[in-house]
Amino acid sequence: GAGVSQSPSNKVTEKGKDVELRCDPISGHTALYWYRQRLGQGLEFLIYFQGNSAPDKSGLPSDRFSAERTGESVSTLTIQRTQQEDSAVYLCASGGVHYGYTFGSGTRLTVV
Amino acid sequence: AQSVTQPDIHITVSEGASLELRCNYSYGATPYLFWYVQSPGQGLQLLLKYFSGDTLVQGIKGFEAEFKRSQSSFNLRKPSVHWSDAAEYFCAVRRSGGGADGLTFGKGTHLIIQP
Repeated sequence: GAGVSQSPSNKVTEKGKDVELRCDPISGHTALYWYRQRLGQGLEFLIYFQGNSAPDKSGLPSDRFSAERTGESVSTLTIQRTQQEDSAVYLCASGGVHYGYTFGSGTRLTVV
Repeated sequence: AQSVTQPDIHITVSEGASLELRCNYSYGATPYLFWYVQSPGQGLQLLLKYFSGDTLVQGIKGFEAEFKRSQSSFNLRKPSVHWSDAAEYFCAVRRSGGGADGLTFGKGTHLIIQP
């Protein structure tokens, strides 16, 4: 597609359940980022994928968080045993330094 | 590690007035610099970027930004704001030369437009 697609757009889950968030980057974009944005806050870096290189996972807040990416295509962010503090908008971006980074519309996660 | 500072959490400007949003970065070499805008409930939209060449860059929606190496700044400007410019603005920096550093964002500046 023309932009970065994220699904679902909204997700309400019960505390303790696992959730999986999906990001479809723009075709040909080798770099992919996941960020978390809590209500009224800035962007918190989670993880970075660049081509076939080992991902930079330095921003993942706990071992409940993991992410995968198949080649230069779809990425999934998984949160296990969700907690209320995980409630946030999760944003995905793909791109590169010479043409900028395009963000998806995000997944709004609410843990109840 | 690089960092980005946006000193103004909130800025209020009258419609039609000029605007300057400040951004300072901390990094030893020339970074790649970006400005994004986020309207309420929306994702982030790229306004403009700098990675080399002319230090004054033009972006979408009438915005421009100037890279000043001596001041480690990349301030965003617009000569005349419109009510639709009310949004959250984020400055971002990425380290040049490759590497797995994240795209680092400032905490954002909330722009309010007065009629």
